[in-house]
Formats: sequence, structure tokens, C-alpha cells
Amino acid sequence: GDSVTQMEGPVTLSEEAFLTINCTYTATGYPSLFWYVQYPGEGLQLLLKATKADDKGSNKGFEATYRKETTSFHLEKGSVQVSDSAVYFCALMNTGFQKLVFGTGTRLLVSP
Amino acid sequence: DTAVSQTPKYLVTQMGNDKSIKCEQNLGHDTMYWYKQDSKKFLKIMFSYNNKELIINETVPNRFSPKSPDKAHLNLHINSLELGDSAVYFCASSRLGQSSGNTIYFGEGSWLTVV
Repeated sequence: GDSVTQMEGPVTLSEEAFLTINCTYTATGYPSLFWYVQYPGEGLQLLLKATKADDKGSNKGFEATYRKETTSFHLEKGSVQVSDSAVYFCALMNTGFQKLVFGTGTRLLVSP
Repeated sequence: DTAVSQTPKYLVTQMGNDKSIKCEQNLGHDTMYWYKQDSKKFLKIMFSYNNKELIINETVPNRFSPKSPDKAHLNLHINSLELGDSAVYFCASSRLGQSSGNTIYFGEGSWLTVV
């Protein structure tokens, strides 16, 4: 079945550091890919998405590019802030299956 | 204006009790979901309804019974609560019928603790 693999956390960075959170997927067909973020004590918010190969999703300084050849959707940000501290979830939705399959989440901790 | 709202946000209850979590969306979507997030933050779909009809049931114990009175509401009733039911339950909604790029919007979660 479809699955998503994320790097283990926590990822600990200093403010203004460069962030990469790796995400790879296994799926039949051509899924759409998503990054969701969960701030402490809050619900899930959509951060960005990409619906086809080579698409780049971006929001709030975060970016991720849909790479079909490497089945990856790595999340990047050039300069993180303390307020970016949260759990980040990579997810896919496959054509015809109206459900999200999530990775295990990666906790990001940013210190001043 | 909250797009997907669920109540209660926090619920502490004893083993064996029956409890319900309510969910409403005002986005005009036709598909609603329940997801469960366990203590390790792992998220998994439980149910999905489209226009009040069940379309996904991911081998959830039959103590869990979703009910959709209309396409804007999807409630979750849990019978005979067990310690292992302690989790965060997320309601979500989307619009079916478009490409697989449909965005699913989540509520703020209901933190259930069974003691």
C-alpha cells in the first residue's frame, strides 16, 4: 500500500539556520503530496502542497518540490525562526482514494 | 469563522463510559473524516463520509460509530471506552470529485483521555 517515510526527529536548529526535513513516498499512480504543520497544543494546518511532478509548493518561506524520479518531497526553509518550532507531517493522497496517508511526523525545535 | 469545528476540545472520562465528539464544517464540502493521532503523534484515518454515506472504514473497532446527519456534520460516538482510546481525534473535510489534489482541512482536535 501507499506509505510515507520521514526523517526521525527531533531536528534542533538555531534561529536563522537552514532547514531540510526529508520525505520520501511509495505509491502507485500519481499522488498529490502535502506538508502539514502542528504547532504545540494545536490542530493540523496545511503548509503547502504539490499535485504533479516538478511542482513546487511554497508558503511562509517553506518550499518543497515534487520529485517523481526520487519519490521525494523534502521540506526546506532558508532561515528558520523560533516560531517555526512544531511537528511537520508529510502526507500523500492518491488518485481515487480520498484519504491522506501520513508520515510519522518530524519535530522541529528552533532555539534563539 | 472556524471552518471545521469540533467539540469538546478536551475530554477526560472513565473506562467503560460512552462519549461523543461533534464536528461541523462550514466550507460547503461534501466529504468529512475522522483521524486519530496516537501518543507518538502518528495520524491514521478512521472513517470517511461523502454526502452522509460511509466510504472509508479503516478496520476501526465497532465501539466507534460515526454518524452523519447531513453533509456538514460528522459526529463520533465511542462506546465502552478503553485506556487505549486515549488520543487526539481530528475531524476534517474536503470536496470530493476533483483531482487527487483536494485539500483536506482539519479541525483543532479533541484531546480524549480515558482514566
